[in-house]
Amino acid sequence: DVKVTQSSRYLVKRTGEKVFLECVQDMDHENMFWYRQDPGLGLRLIYFSYDVKMKEKGDIPEGYSVSREKKERFSLILESASTNQTSMYLCASSLASGRLYGYTFGSGTRLTVV
Amino acid sequence: GESVGLHLPTLSVQEGDNSIINCAYSNSASDYFIWYKQESGKGPQFIIDIRSNMDKRQGQRVTVLLNKTVKHLSLQIAATQPGDSAVYFCAVFGNEKLTFGTGTRLTIIP
Repeated sequence: DVKVTQSSRYLVKRTGEKVFLECVQDMDHENMFWYRQDPGLGLRLIYFSYDVKMKEKGDIPEGYSVSREKKERFSLILESASTNQTSMYLCASSLASGRLYGYTFGSGTRLTVV
Repeated sequence: GESVGLHLPTLSVQEGDNSIINCAYSNSASDYFIWYKQESGKGPQFIIDIRSNMDKRQGQRVTVLLNKTVKHLSLQIAATQPGDSAVYFCAVFGNEKLTFGTGTRLTIIP
């Protein structure tokens, strides 16, 4: 069974901390994505990557960065956490032809910034 | 850009009845559509998809209908069961990007 694994289910961090959210997929997918999910706003794309060392901004990249050093791992970095970054973060992956296949999601990381 | 909306944020259905969840999109160039199910504490799970060259596709107890004329798609769940309780999202692929709706929470009444 294919899997996207997010390292933490729940995180509590302090304002100003640097936060790392890790995501690993075992499907040899080229594409990986980071979304945040907030009530009434749905899923919003933060960053995505179509290949190793490659990254593209999504719709709401401000305050975030990403790293993709290996094909299977895509990390989301909050450079200086703020309370408005309290949210559910979802990682997803897809085959290279993302338009022909659905995305596979991880279980999510619920981040609280205090 | 694309905007995707679901018609109802919540839907309550009697167990055993059919459920219909609706979604509207704005970009007529969108060509691939997916329905996801998200149970509490879990990430979204793929249910069924449909491409723009089709207007209907059936899975196990689920049917997706696509009306490109009015830019509307729907998910029908037959004989709704307690395990169908979840939030359902449509996602629309267009301009090389997948855009998600905000979700409809389906509640099953015993």
